[in-house]
Amino acid sequence: AQTVTQSQPEMSVQEAETVTLSCTYDTSESNYYLFWYKQPPSRQMILVIRQEAYKQQNATENRFSVNFQKAAKSFSLKISDSQLGDTAMYFCASEHTSGSRLTFGEGTQLTVNP
Amino acid sequence: DVKVTQSSRYLVKRTGEKVFLECVQDMDHENMFWYRQDPGLGLRLIYFSYDVKMKEKGDIPEGYSVSREKKERFSLILESASTNQTSMYLCASSLLDRSNQPQHFGDGTRLSIL
Repeated sequence: AQTVTQSQPEMSVQEAETVTLSCTYDTSESNYYLFWYKQPPSRQMILVIRQEAYKQQNATENRFSVNFQKAAKSFSLKISDSQLGDTAMYFCASEHTSGSRLTFGEGTQLTVNP
Repeated sequence: DVKVTQSSRYLVKRTGEKVFLECVQDMDHENMFWYRQDPGLGLRLIYFSYDVKMKEKGDIPEGYSVSREKKERFSLILESASTNQTSMYLCASSLLDRSNQPQHFGDGTRLSIL
């Protein structure tokens, strides 16, 4: 079974600053995917970034990047130049490649302050 | 763009009623999922389906059933609603071949059982 843990229920950051959201996971699989999803107040769950476990290079999508530490089973999300529109609940999730099931963490509510 | 449509954004029902939550996707995805979202618990998988008339239990199937008569439609059924089923319900879909394809989510149904 896979487990995903987000130890920060709430975080806040000033506009234009950088913030890092933490995520740890546990899996017995040798290959798997890791995701960060964003859920703004509109409730639409949006994929932010994904990482395949066999890839050494950390994924990057514009202002969003991850720090993937496979040995430590850590998958943190860094948001640079934070914008008001980044205010949302962020969920870390894992999925092993032989199945389609996602396992989600508890979520981190991020507030970007003007 | 993939569109996952949930029939109701808000729903209020009474204890003991049979409740149907409907989900339709327009991208010919094989996989469909029902999640429940509660504060501090993240998203938990109730049921999923990888083909018409096929279903698999997720992590919290008790008190729920599902129906998939057509590929594009996946229904969640609360056989006899109880107050502890008050929650946000999210539907998602994805391709069976998951390579580089994430799950796509609907906007959620906030269900209140009185």
